[in-house]
Amino acid sequence: GQNIDQPTEMTATEGAIVQINCTYQTSGFNGLFWYQQHAGEAPTFLSYNVLDGLEEKGRFSSFLSRSKGYSYLLLKELQMKDSASYLCAPKTGANNLFFGTGTRLTVIP
Amino acid sequence: DARVTQTPRDKVTEMGQEVTMRCQPILGHNTVFWYRQTMMQGLELLAYFRNRAPLDDSGMPKDRFSAEMPDATLATLKIQPSEPRDSAVYFCASGFSQGEQFFGPGTRLTVL
Repeated sequence: GQNIDQPTEMTATEGAIVQINCTYQTSGFNGLFWYQQHAGEAPTFLSYNVLDGLEEKGRFSSFLSRSKGYSYLLLKELQMKDSASYLCAPKTGANNLFFGTGTRLTVIP
Repeated sequence: DARVTQTPRDKVTEMGQEVTMRCQPILGHNTVFWYRQTMMQGLELLAYFRNRAPLDDSGMPKDRFSAEMPDATLATLKIQPSEPRDSAVYFCASGFSQGEQFFGPGTRLTVL
């Protein structure tokens, strides 16, 4: 079967750092995407990891360990606009993404 | 500024009625996806196409749902007959093989 485990909700303070963890079990694995989704809007691409290690892109970084079935998204210098849901999505086929329900992050002043 | 477009943005209908949702993928993208999103289930893949050919529709209830790509600029998702449990936001996404997916704004469907 396929399964994704992410915390349902997280709260963090403006200016702080937050790490959103994701563990996954999939039949087949070809990389992992992170998407951001603001309430009432479409998901937008944040990052893609195919090899183990850390990928840094501005305030956002994403880490992958294929052997452990584990990834995290690190958000630095949190801003109020970062309040959104964050979706971990392993790629299970040539282009199939398997999404979970995501982590709803609330940034407070 | 290329983006995926979807129509209608909102649809309210009564149980038993036919619903058709349309999507225009980004020009040049060769893969198109239909997803359904609910609070309980998150984003579920319903169907996807590559070069207009259906590759996977295993996530779609076959008795009432159908997905087609009559040409490279149009993808459709049809529900007939609709049921209250179909109420959800339906997203279309497009991309290149192996790359990220770009999502449209979604169609919010309410079946009464």
